[in-house]
Amino acid sequence: QVQLVQSGAEVQKPGASVKVSCKASGYIFTSYAISWVRQAPGQGLEWVGWISTYNGNTNHLQKFHGRVTMTTDTSTSTAYMELKSLTSDDTAMYYCASGPMWLPLANWGQGTLVTVSS
Amino acid sequence: EIVLTQSPGTLSLSPGERATLSCRASQSVSTNYLAWFQQKPGQSPSLLIYGASSRATGIPDRFSGSGSGTDFTLTISRLEPEDFAVYYCHQYGNSPFTFGPGTKVDIK
Repeated sequence: QVQLVQSGAEVQKPGASVKVSCKASGYIFTSYAISWVRQAPGQGLEWVGWISTYNGNTNHLQKFHGRVTMTTDTSTSTAYMELKSLTSDDTAMYYCASGPMWLPLANWGQGTLVTVSS
Repeated sequence: EIVLTQSPGTLSLSPGERATLSCRASQSVSTNYLAWFQQKPGQSPSLLIYGASSRATGIPDRFSGSGSGTDFTLTISRLEPEDFAVYYCHQYGNSPFTFGPGTKVDIK
């Protein structure tokens, strides 16, 4: 079965960067895109962006332009999301999700809590 | 960007009752690429419905989705104790993908 296992919780200072990983198993890694979604404490879901694991093409929400980098390592079936210039507004649970292009959020990871605090 | 509006914000019902959740889009959702997710406290969202009306694998048939264009509905025919949760609609037909603010179904 499809499984997405994310890296552990992070605490970062304002202005720093964070890189979250998402290791996939149970399917051919390059057949599903990987999306990233975040959820601030007590709030709703916000789509961050996605990456094609087939050709590396990416798409992200304009508000993250210049701050977010999504990459993959096909040799280890792992996707990464790096967010730079962190502020307290970036404190959130970050989820990865995978699925075919016609259902990109079919399967979800367990989430990685990123806390930005001085 | 397509803005999704969900109503009501909170739905207070008893087990066994019928729940009807609404999701309205600011413009037509391409190819009816509209999904519903359930999220329980401390858990990741889980997929219930995709393509507006198709149940995901393993989802009980008391969950049904309907609608097209800009108006969509999630119906839970008879609420079970495990159904009390927050429900989000999500459109993935137009970039950027967006989510509704959620409807909380709680026990009356």
